[in-house]
Amino acid sequence: KNEVEQSPQNLTAQEGEFITINCSYSVGISALHWLQQHPGGGIVSLFMLSSGKKKHGRLIATINIQEKHSSLHITASHPRDSAVYICAVRGNDMRFGAGTRLTVKP
Amino acid sequence: EAGVTQFPSHSVIEKGQTVTLRCDPISGHDNLYWYRRVMGKEIKFLLHFVKESKQDESGMPNNRFLAERTGGTYSTLKVQPAELEDSGVYFCASSQNSPDTQYFGPGTRLTVL
Repeated sequence: KNEVEQSPQNLTAQEGEFITINCSYSVGISALHWLQQHPGGGIVSLFMLSSGKKKHGRLIATINIQEKHSSLHITASHPRDSAVYICAVRGNDMRFGAGTRLTVKP
Repeated sequence: EAGVTQFPSHSVIEKGQTVTLRCDPISGHDNLYWYRRVMGKEIKFLLHFVKESKQDESGMPNNRFLAERTGGTYSTLKVQPAELEDSGVYFCASSQNSPDTQYFGPGTRLTVL
């Protein structure tokens, strides 16, 4: 069992929908990262957080340290948001979730 | 400011051959990380440099893999001899401090035939 579990694995949404991707982890961490991997393969770091909530444009990331759970929300989704979203936690080393493949249809 | 760069973008080699991957981190970033993603599986941590020193190499799969970062600037990851199961995408990332936001390179896709 992976120490970092993401759900859902795949997600299809219509443009404009509100999207939530979840990440649960079972190890002690100092920080959690949300990454975006585009179809071309490049990875972009979206957020690094250790508590509370962060917002950047239409993206919001939250983390609950006690429950070992984080969510990534996308408001007013757009086809260009289509990508694989990866949760990664930093404990003794970095552990990655399997990713959530998001497809936003126009 | 230039981002993290990796070379080559794609390498195809035969089993038993040697391949060297290179990563150039963002200038001034002391922390450099190597990761790999094998087909169908999640990304795995390989190792972490702080300047030229190996801070953590617990993720290195075996002694066929050798990472160096002479001078604390760019890093190389050598696979010798390559095996079929080494195929995947090798990512490099850098950060100024640890922990800190990591900036990823585009990856090197390694195919071992």
